[in-house]
Amino acid sequence: ETGVTQTPRHLVMGMTNKKSLKCEQHLGHNAMYWYKQSAKKPLELMFVYNFKEQTENNSVPSRFSPECPNSSHLFLHLHTLQPEDSALYLCASSQDAGQGWEKLFFGSGTQLSVL
Amino acid sequence: GQNIDQPTEMTATEGAIVQINCTYQTSGFNGLFWYQQHAGEAPTFLSYNVLDGLEEKGRFSSFLSRSKGYSYLLLKELQMKDSASYLCAVRDNDYKLSFGAGTTVTVRA
Repeated sequence: ETGVTQTPRHLVMGMTNKKSLKCEQHLGHNAMYWYKQSAKKPLELMFVYNFKEQTENNSVPSRFSPECPNSSHLFLHLHTLQPEDSALYLCASSQDAGQGWEKLFFGSGTQLSVL
Repeated sequence: GQNIDQPTEMTATEGAIVQINCTYQTSGFNGLFWYQQHAGEAPTFLSYNVLDGLEEKGRFSSFLSRSKGYSYLLLKELQMKDSASYLCAVRDNDYKLSFGAGTTVTVRA
């Protein structure tokens, strides 16, 4: 148990579907992150939220829409995805996304397959 | 952009030592992290280096040379449970974290 819980663990969706990924952290952290992990590629930062405010959007296509209702919950809403969006989507949290070194705590991820 | 290189795969025998190298070229430097990720699981923090030298933590050690843009993770007395992917990550001047593609270590009996 890492303190960061992601659901669902696996998701298969068609290109016309709409689905949402959920992340919850039980660590009292103030920053939450979405990362994309594709096979044999580096983790790609997608979004950062610090104290519920989005502080980073790493040129992510609009078919990915994040939502952070409070410091403990983070969602990633998906619509009209492409097959190349198939990947492992990891959520992470840290105490604060501000300056200073920050250790990330990751969830186990959602393995997404787009057909 | 940021460039972080590490070998794709390494294989070693149980009880042996393995050294995973990481070289980086980033816009500034504010620390280097190593994470371990078992298949199907979350990456977990292993070590952090911000000054040159060796940081030892049990069977795992991490070394940093900022002038060479180089780090390594040393795994000693390898155990089967050490089979995993090891991710090198560097924080740049803007405190953004960039990851390498990871090194898959396979420990054989």
